[in-house]
Amino acid sequence: DQQVKQNSPSLSVQEGRISILNCDYTNSMFDYFLWYKKYPAEGPTFLISISSIKDKNEDGRFTVFLNKSAKHLSLHIVPSQPGDSAVYFCAASAKGSSGDKLTFGTGTRLAVRP
Amino acid sequence: NAGVTQTPKFQVLKTGQSMTLQCAQDMNHEYMSWYRQDPGMGLRLIHYSVGAGITDQGEVPNGYNVSRSTTEDFPLRLLSAAPSQTSVYFCASSYNRNTEAFFGQGTRLTVV
Repeated sequence: DQQVKQNSPSLSVQEGRISILNCDYTNSMFDYFLWYKKYPAEGPTFLISISSIKDKNEDGRFTVFLNKSAKHLSLHIVPSQPGDSAVYFCAASAKGSSGDKLTFGTGTRLAVRP
Repeated sequence: NAGVTQTPKFQVLKTGQSMTLQCAQDMNHEYMSWYRQDPGMGLRLIHYSVGAGITDQGEVPNGYNVSRSTTEDFPLRLLSAAPSQTSVYFCASSYNRNTEAFFGQGTRLTVV
């Protein structure tokens, strides 16, 4: 039962354009969401997060949008750069007894073409 | 600042062998976790700990044991390796669940 879903395994974008990575979740108890970036042969690194009390969080070129009614979040990268080429994982955590762990999606591989 | 250190980086085991993957962090983080990454499966939680002496199971705990005797260390033990445990293993730590997790560089394990 995949509670966090990234339905697009890959995405290719031209340098300078916007990259939009999507993530859907099924557990209504999730109250905190994060995006991680992963380069080959390295561990994931934290990119940006958002609490369920917000619908948008921005950090430089990266913006995360949360639509709680649709159980959907997205990561926007503007403008995209070749160095952004990596696998992006969406993750979520929930309140309550199981609230101490992150649930990850399957990842989206972003390729930014020069 | 070393962050999260995992050893070894690569390991080949024969079916039935046991081994321990080491994880250490120097950030005084209470939360530590072990994940495995498999193609098309993303990162799946094996075990996690919210502090020294406290551990709990994640999504895929079978075949693995953990202990947390100190804040710094969180070793993962494979009791009797199986080919299905061939994977890349990541250790992570964070101050609490709502802060960013720092990941180690991973251990690529092959069980033959």
